Amino acid sequence: QVQLQESGPGLVKPSQTLSLTCTVSGGSISSGSYYWSWIRQPAGKGLEWIGRIYTSGSTNYNPSLKSRVTISVDTSKNQFSLKLSSVTAADTAVYYCARGDYGDYVYWFDPWGQGTLVTVSS
Amino acid sequence: SSELTQDPAVSVALGQTVRITCQGDSLRSYYASWYQQKPGQAPVLVIYGKNNRPSGIPDRFSGSSSGNTASLTITGAQAEDEADYYCNSRDSSFRFGGGTKLTVL
Repeated sequence: QVQLQESGPGLVKPSQTLSLTCTVSGGSISSGSYYWSWIRQPAGKGLEWIGRIYTSGSTNYNPSLKSRVTISVDTSKNQFSLKLSSVTAADTAVYYCARGDYGDYVYWFDPWGQGTLVTVSS
Repeated sequence: SSELTQDPAVSVALGQTVRITCQGDSLRSYYASWYQQKPGQAPVLVIYGKNNRPSGIPDRFSGSSSGNTASLTITGAQAEDEADYYCNSRDSSFRFGGGTKLTVL
């Protein structure tokens, strides 16, 4: 079965760029018509969708983060990545990657990675 | 409103039935998906669409929808069902509800 694993620095300085990678195992990132998403969760708070990418390279981003977010995919490595620029303390959160799928009038995320904590601090 | 609204907390006696609701305009166009999150763990999909359960999710979990409201029902709640539950739907973006903390008494 497909598994996802996030990786990247756990500490980022304010104003710098947060970079994370999600490695997909147990299946090809290019198989099916899935989309690949990033979702984050500040400590003690709810989930926030960041954006998604199809293996074609097509992307969609949360309007509230769009100016700072770039999601890319590397099918040869079975990975997709997140870059979030000009970070502040408000970007401190657990970041999850997840596979997205859709059906008749419904979208869902399954499976999810275990999550990685990114702290923004000097 | 493009937001999804959930009650912050709900409690249920062990073995009883509980309904967790999610309200939002996007639910008039799209079904919700529901996620269970236990402390320190990643969310897990429990229901999606009209009433679909992923493999491995107990059949005590079910979903329904009417108008702008989606519901997740747990019939015969177990101690291990104590968790945070989030709904999600699509409008121009993807949105999650604020989450409902379920306590099993």
